[in-house]
Amino acid sequence: AQSVTQLGSHVSVSEGALVLLRCNYSSSVPPYLFWYVQYPNQGLQLLLKYTSAATLVKGINGFEAEFKKSETSFHLTKPSAHMSDAAEYFCAVSAFNTGTASKLTFGTGTRLQVTL
Amino acid sequence: NAGVTQTPKFQVLKTGQSMTLQCAQDMNHEYMSWYRQDPGMGLRLIHYSVGAGITDQGEVPNGYNVSRSTTEDFPLRLLSAAPSQTSVYFCASSYRGISYEQYFGPGTRLTVT
Repeated sequence: AQSVTQLGSHVSVSEGALVLLRCNYSSSVPPYLFWYVQYPNQGLQLLLKYTSAATLVKGINGFEAEFKKSETSFHLTKPSAHMSDAAEYFCAVSAFNTGTASKLTFGTGTRLQVTL
Repeated sequence: NAGVTQTPKFQVLKTGQSMTLQCAQDMNHEYMSWYRQDPGMGLRLIHYSVGAGITDQGEVPNGYNVSRSTTEDFPLRLLSAAPSQTSVYFCASSYRGISYEQYFGPGTRLTVT
């Protein structure tokens, strides 16, 4: 079984400040991890993914995340927030199930607010 | 490429009515899935398919049926709508494989009264 926990349903930062969105995972097999972003009234878009290569993963729009196996974490960061980063962010885990395709399990999401 | 398309964008149903949510993709993806999104609960998998003629249940399949007769289409059927099925529904597709990203459609907002 696999699961994802996102700490903080709402995060507010000032424009130009560091963005840190937390994600912890649980998986009985080596996981693949994803961060998706959802802008208002839109579908989800991939920000970045970890697939067992480099532990520090860089994504679109200046976001990055670091896979830490010892902490079972995959936190999302961005050095300087921009107003356009305001959205909902979802962490997701995928682990291979024998005989079937992988299935994504999503966290409950974190809404990022960026203020002037 | 149009990517993943969903119709309709909005729908209001009365309790007990049935309907089909349409999903199509033009990327030749083997894997397609349906999720529902509810406030504070993230996205939950309803049904998925790994290819034409092959479907399986996800986390919350009750009250929904799917079929996959072609690679491109993956409709979701509500047999007898209930207020608990009020939600936003997303269809997604990807290449079959654990590391491939899923591409999401724009969603269908369904209200059951």
